Order: sequence, then C-alpha cells, then structure tokens
Amino acid sequence: GDSVTQMEGPVTLSEEAFLTINCTYTATGYPSLFWYVQYPGEGLQLLLKATKADDKGSNKGFEATYRKETTSFHLEKGSVQVSDSAVYFCALKDAGANSKLTFGKGITLSVRP
Amino acid sequence: KAGVTQTPRYLIKTRGQQVTLSCSPISGHRSVSWYQQTPGQGLQFLFEYFSETQRNKGNFPGRFSGRQFSNSRSEMNVSTLELGDSALYLCASSLDSMYEQFFGPGTRLTVL
Repeated sequence: GDSVTQMEGPVTLSEEAFLTINCTYTATGYPSLFWYVQYPGEGLQLLLKATKADDKGSNKGFEATYRKETTSFHLEKGSVQVSDSAVYFCALKDAGANSKLTFGKGITLSVRP
Repeated sequence: KAGVTQTPRYLIKTRGQQVTLSCSPISGHRSVSWYQQTPGQGLQFLFEYFSETQRNKGNFPGRFSGRQFSNSRSEMNVSTLELGDSALYLCASSLDSMYEQFFGPGTRLTVL
C-alpha cells in the first residue's frame, strides 16, 4: 500500500538557518504530494502541494519539488523564523476518486531566536 | 467563510462507554474525512463520506463508524471504548477529492 517516510526528528535550528526536511514515498500510479503544518492546539493547514512529477510547490518561503525518479518531496526554506516552529507532515493522495491522505510520522521543528 | 468546526473540543470517557463526535464542514463541501492522530501511530485515515455515502474506509475495527447527513455534517461513533482510543480526532472537508482539504481543530478524546 501507499506509505510516506519522513526523517526522524525533532529538529532545532537558529533563526535564519536553512531548513531541509526529507520525505520519500511509496505509491502506485501518480499520487499528489503535500506538506501540512500543525501549530500547537490546532488542526492541520496545507502548506504546499504538487500534483505531478517535476512540479514545485511553494508558499511562505517554503518549497518542495516532486521528484518521481527518487520518489521524494523534500521541504526546504532558505531562512527560518521563530514563527515557523510547528510540526510538519508530508502526505500523499492517490489518483483515485477519494480524499484519503496518507501521512508521514511528522517532524517537530523548533526555531530559536 | 467559516472553517471546519468540530464538537466537542475535549472529551473524557471511561473504558466500555461509547462516544459520538461531530464535524460541520465548510459550507458547500460535500466530502468529509476523519483521521485519528496519536503519538505512536501518527495520523491514520478512518473513513470518508461524500454525499451521505461512505466512499473509503481505513483499517480500523468495526467499533469505529460514521455517517453523513444531507447537510454534509458528519458524525463518527466509537463504541466500547478502549484506552488505546485516546487520541486527537480530526475531520477534514473538501468540495471533492481533487480539491484542497481543510482541517478542523480536532476533538481530544481521553479514555480512562
């Protein structure tokens, strides 16, 4: 079945540092890929998405490129801020007519001033 | 535009009881999905309803059930609660499968 693997956490960075969070997936067909963010006490918010190979999703300075050859969707940001502290989830949705998302375990990012 | 709302936000039950959680989707959204979030298992898909019909189901025991009403509001029910059912239950709504899903804040269920 479908699966998503994220790098182990937590991750602690200083403000303005470069961020990379690795994500790889296993799926049949051509899934859509997502990054969601969860702030304390809240639900999930969509951060960015990519629906086909070589697509780059971007939002709020975050970027991720859909790499079919390496089955990866790594999240990057050039300069993190304290407000980026949250839990980040990589997810996929298969191409079928349903809304099921398969999530990775999530990784906690803490950014210190 | 109001977001996805879930009630109650917090719930404490004892083993063997049953519980019903409610989700009101964004107006116009016909798809509602439910997820269980625990520290050990992460986020796991429970089921999806679209236009009052269950369209997809995750790998959970039959104690977990759901339904959707004609106004797209959805409820999920867990019978014979176990300690391991303690979790954050999230619902998400969307227009349909190819559209963005919007998540509610979740219901935190604690089973004692």
